[in-house]
Amino acid sequence: DTEVTQTPKHLVMGMTNKKSLKCEQHMGHRAMYWYKQKAKKPPELMFVYSYEKLSINESVPSRFSPECPNSSLLNLHLHALQPEDSALYLCASRDSGDGYTFGSGTRLTVV
Amino acid sequence: GEDVEQSLFLSVREGDSSVINCTYTDSSSTYLYWYKQEPGAGLQLLTYIFSNMDMKQDQRLTVLLNKKDKHLSLRIADTQTGDSAIYFCAERDTDKLIFGTGTRLQVFP
Repeated sequence: DTEVTQTPKHLVMGMTNKKSLKCEQHMGHRAMYWYKQKAKKPPELMFVYSYEKLSINESVPSRFSPECPNSSLLNLHLHALQPEDSALYLCASRDSGDGYTFGSGTRLTVV
Repeated sequence: GEDVEQSLFLSVREGDSSVINCTYTDSSSTYLYWYKQEPGAGLQLLTYIFSNMDMKQDQRLTVLLNKKDKHLSLRIADTQTGDSAIYFCAERDTDKLIFGTGTRLQVFP
C-alpha cells in the first residue's frame, strides 16, 4: 500500500455543523500533514504531526482541530466553519526519507 | 517568508519539450520538488532534487538546479496531452513544503 487515503472526497456542511476529515496511510510514515488549497492557489500548510505529536501549527484558527490517534491515522475536526473555509483539504505523509505523498483531498464546501 | 515564483501559463504542441521554471528565495532549502495536479485531484510527486545536485533525470523528466541563481526548472520531453495539468515546484524548509504559485501546462495536438 503506497497511498494516502482521504475520506470523504466531498463534504458540504453548514456553519453550525461539526464534521471530521480523515486521512489514513499504511506505509509506516511517521510524519503527517494537513494542507489547505483554495481554488487556483498553491497548497498552504496547516499542521504537522511527527511521531503522533503536533510539531507545527501554522496559526490555524481553533475551529480547525487536528488529531493523530495513531501512527496511521490523522483527523481534522471542523466546527463552526465559515464560507471562506471552503477549499480542498489535502493530507500528506513522509517517511524518514524525503518524498512527501499526498492524498487526493477532501473538497469542503461550507454553506 | 519565502516566496516561490512560477510563470502562470505554458502552452506547447504535443511532441515538443516543455520547460517549466521556478525561482525560490530560501538558499537554505535542502530539497526541491516538482508536483503535478490534475483538475479536481490531489498532488502527484514527479521528482525531487537534493540541493547539492545540479541535475536529475528520470525518464522524460529532467530537473535542473542553479543554486547560485536560486532557479529550478523541469523539462518534460515529448510532451503528451496527458501531461496537461498544473505543475507546482516546492522547496523544503525544515519540515514544511513551501509551494510555488503553479504553472498551468496546456498541450495541444
